Amino acid sequence: DTGVSQDPRHKITKRGQNVTFRCDPISEHNRLYWYRQTLGQGPEFLTYFQNEAQLEKSRLLSDRFSAERPKGSFSTLEIQRTEQGDSAMYLCASSLVGVPNEKLFFGSGTQLSVL
Amino acid sequence: AQSVTQPDIHITVSEGASLELRCNYSYGATPYLFWYVQSPGQGLQLLLKYFSGDTLVQGIKGFEAEFKRSQSSFNLRKPSVHWSDAAEYFCAVGGNNNNDMRFGAGTRLTVKP
Repeated sequence: DTGVSQDPRHKITKRGQNVTFRCDPISEHNRLYWYRQTLGQGPEFLTYFQNEAQLEKSRLLSDRFSAERPKGSFSTLEIQRTEQGDSAMYLCASSLVGVPNEKLFFGSGTQLSVL
Repeated sequence: AQSVTQPDIHITVSEGASLELRCNYSYGATPYLFWYVQSPGQGLQLLLKYFSGDTLVQGIKGFEAEFKRSQSSFNLRKPSVHWSDAAEYFCAVGGNNNNDMRFGAGTRLTVKP
């Protein structure tokens, strides 16, 4: 169990640029979640996948945001035409559905700063 | 809709003192309740969870929490705080799908020597 890893740890970009983040879940986990966390707040759910299927998207996820999990393993989250309000910590989590008391394992996050 | 309130934004306790972090929730059905800890540069780590059964739940690192349905509360406690407990603590509520999970705004714990 190598844990959930996210890349990059930090990203600084200029407003209007596109950014992409990657999440590698724990290898046998079939669910993968994306959360966003702003300063002084708890994580907010953005979207989740079960295997390669994206099953739910939050209203927080505008059209500028897109997430993929093409082979049911790693996932990418892309933000197009970034805005200053997109500055936040983007957290990825994974879990194994079907296990009693399913537990979420979180990565350390990608801190995005939009200048 | 489900929600979580953590009334205390920041708490300072002395090392060795007892700790209680408050959490109140709103949920339409039987809730699943969680406490997570987040240290700087680290991911969220699950301390404990309540799904059913005994309302006093034991977790890792000496933490415990008590589910009180009548008060819609799930307060986190530790009898003796260690300096390494300084971190941000999040309470969360959800159903049997983790996509329902909602987090509180967090309580930052500072531990004085």
